[in-house]
Amino acid sequence: GQQLNQSPQSMFIQEGEDVSMNCTSSSIFNTWLWYKQDPGEGPVLLIALYKAGELTSNGRLTAQFGITRKDSFLNISASIPSDVGIYFCARRPQGGSEKLVFGKGTKLTVNP
Amino acid sequence: KAGVTQTPRYLIKTRGQQVTLSCSPISGHRSVSWYQQTPGQGLQFLFEYFSETQRNKGNFPGRFSGRQFSNSRSEMNVSTLELGDSALYLCASSGGRGLSEQFFGPGTRLTVL
Repeated sequence: GQQLNQSPQSMFIQEGEDVSMNCTSSSIFNTWLWYKQDPGEGPVLLIALYKAGELTSNGRLTAQFGITRKDSFLNISASIPSDVGIYFCARRPQGGSEKLVFGKGTKLTVNP
Repeated sequence: KAGVTQTPRYLIKTRGQQVTLSCSPISGHRSVSWYQQTPGQGLQFLFEYFSETQRNKGNFPGRFSGRQFSNSRSEMNVSTLELGDSALYLCASSGGRGLSEQFFGPGTRLTVL
């Protein structure tokens, strides 16, 4: 129940294309977080989701908290070269612990 | 507001040595968490400190330890370094109230030779 399955592992797309990635878990919980990590830097929080069914946007990014509370997806529309990086989903255990469990990441490459 | 800072950014050590890494959280944040990132295992939680007390701990050996000072700054220590300890060590700070969001520092890249 601790593991997050994130897919795909990597994506190679052309600039302007839309991107979709997702995370699933066998357990339910209250929070889904999506982070982006650039090379040599720490992860940066993109979107936080707190309620089942919640759909949240941040510019060209849209993320949804699945109704079953066991999955989430992140969409990037009209990709640009600076979208390159590794995207991680993460979840926080029930009870409000600060301990985050991360997926293995989706490495995105955008060809100009 | 200044972000989370970590020092040093890069470190090279040899097996058997020990190392201390430092993290200064965002002003006002009382919770500091540490993570280890490796290509094989990804991001793994080490421990979390809140108000100078360890509140959560991951599944790492006792060689990994930490502490937090009254100003919320935190240090982590790794003793008797092994080759497998080579990793990016990330620190994250938050308000510490459960649903508060965590903000990461740039990390310390540790290489053990």
